[in-house]
Amino acid sequence: AQSVTQLGSHVSVSEGALVLLRCNYSSSVPPYLFWYVQYPNQGLQLLLKYTSAATLVKGINGFEAEFKKSETSFHLTKPSAHMSDAAEYFCAVSTTRGKLIFGQGTELSVKP
Amino acid sequence: DGGITQSPKYLFRKEGQNVTLSCEQNLNHDAMYWYRQDPGQGLRLIYYSQIVNDFQKGDIAEGYSVSREKKESFPLTVTSAQKNPTAFYLCASSILVSDEQFFGPGTRLTVL
Repeated sequence: AQSVTQLGSHVSVSEGALVLLRCNYSSSVPPYLFWYVQYPNQGLQLLLKYTSAATLVKGINGFEAEFKKSETSFHLTKPSAHMSDAAEYFCAVSTTRGKLIFGQGTELSVKP
Repeated sequence: DGGITQSPKYLFRKEGQNVTLSCEQNLNHDAMYWYRQDPGQGLRLIYYSQIVNDFQKGDIAEGYSVSREKKESFPLTVTSAQKNPTAFYLCASSILVSDEQFFGPGTRLTVL
């Protein structure tokens, strides 16, 4: 069975600083990995996804994530935070055998 | 525009009443899902359906019921048996259960 762990329920960065949101997964077969963003009182929006092609995945709004099999990680990064990046971010894992499993979410705050 | 609609956006219920939340998609997706979101608890799967006239319980199905009579529609009924129904409810759909999910804007249910 797959599982996903997001390290840190809350991350705070200054505007212009690096954003790093951590996600580790567990899967006995090759995984598909996803990052979603949720703004207050809205649904989730897909940021990016990994489906066994390039290990470095670029998404929308300047975000990217790197699949590291040896570390079972799929951390989300953005070189320079913007105030509009403040939101909740969810990592998710699936395989060809099953549905998406979501992490608990990380709330990102951006300080001016 | 293709997408997922949920209605109503806000819903108020008296204790002891059943209420039905609407979810419609025009993406021609086979799979549909209902999630419940509470502060600090991420997404919890209530029910999902992989095909018309078939659905499976998720992690927290007690007190909820669904139907899938049409491919486009997956309504969720919150029954009086659900002891703490106040939450934000999200509907999603995907081509296959292992694929990325597309989310609706959510319905916020409050029990008075």
